[in-house]
Amino acid sequence: DQQVKQNSPSLSVQEGRISILNCDYTNSMFDYFLWYKKYPAEGPTFLISISSIKDKNEDGRFTVFLNKSAKHLSLHIVPSQPGDSAVYFCAVMDSNYQLIWGAGTKLIIKP
Amino acid sequence: IAGITQAPTSQILAAGRRMTLRCTQDMRHNAMYWYRQDLGLGLRLIHYSNTAGTTGKGEVPDGYSVSRANTDDFPLTLASAVPSQTSVYFCASSESQGVPYYGYTFGSGTRLTVV
Repeated sequence: DQQVKQNSPSLSVQEGRISILNCDYTNSMFDYFLWYKKYPAEGPTFLISISSIKDKNEDGRFTVFLNKSAKHLSLHIVPSQPGDSAVYFCAVMDSNYQLIWGAGTKLIIKP
Repeated sequence: IAGITQAPTSQILAAGRRMTLRCTQDMRHNAMYWYRQDLGLGLRLIHYSNTAGTTGKGEVPDGYSVSRANTDDFPLTLASAVPSQTSVYFCASSESQGVPYYGYTFGSGTRLTVV
């Protein structure tokens, strides 16, 4: 059973609007969460992270929210831009300091 | 070189053949990782190395081996390829194990097709 789930394989958003990508996890002991962005034919690149002692972290247009009681993580991008079109992966760090990855959500920004 | 270099970029391989995927980093990172990415499954860890001279098994290690003779290089070997090993393989590195603040640095991947 997957420990990290991204239930939306794809998401389409109008340019300028907010993009919200979601991620659910099963283990309440996870304490570090990350988002990566991946373009075709490239490796994933680190975007933003949050530790379990926080519920929000912002970096420019990107904000990650953590709801520990719901075991839910979300990434907000506002305003969305064409260059944001990519696959977004959430990942959590387990007790062995290894990353467990979600399956990814393909974000399409429409002009 | 800047970051992580993987070679080859893509390869078609006959089943039963041996293949080594190369990975080199120039950031002097201690930890290195090999992942495979399959549609609908995200990235799965094959093997990792926390420092030169040590390696460990990840989630899906069967059919793969690694070595870490020095800090910079972390090759992945398929001793006898099978079609289920068709995937995109990513090498990654981090300053050290368990320090995720800046994430991992990834290579561009090797697309391997086993026929």
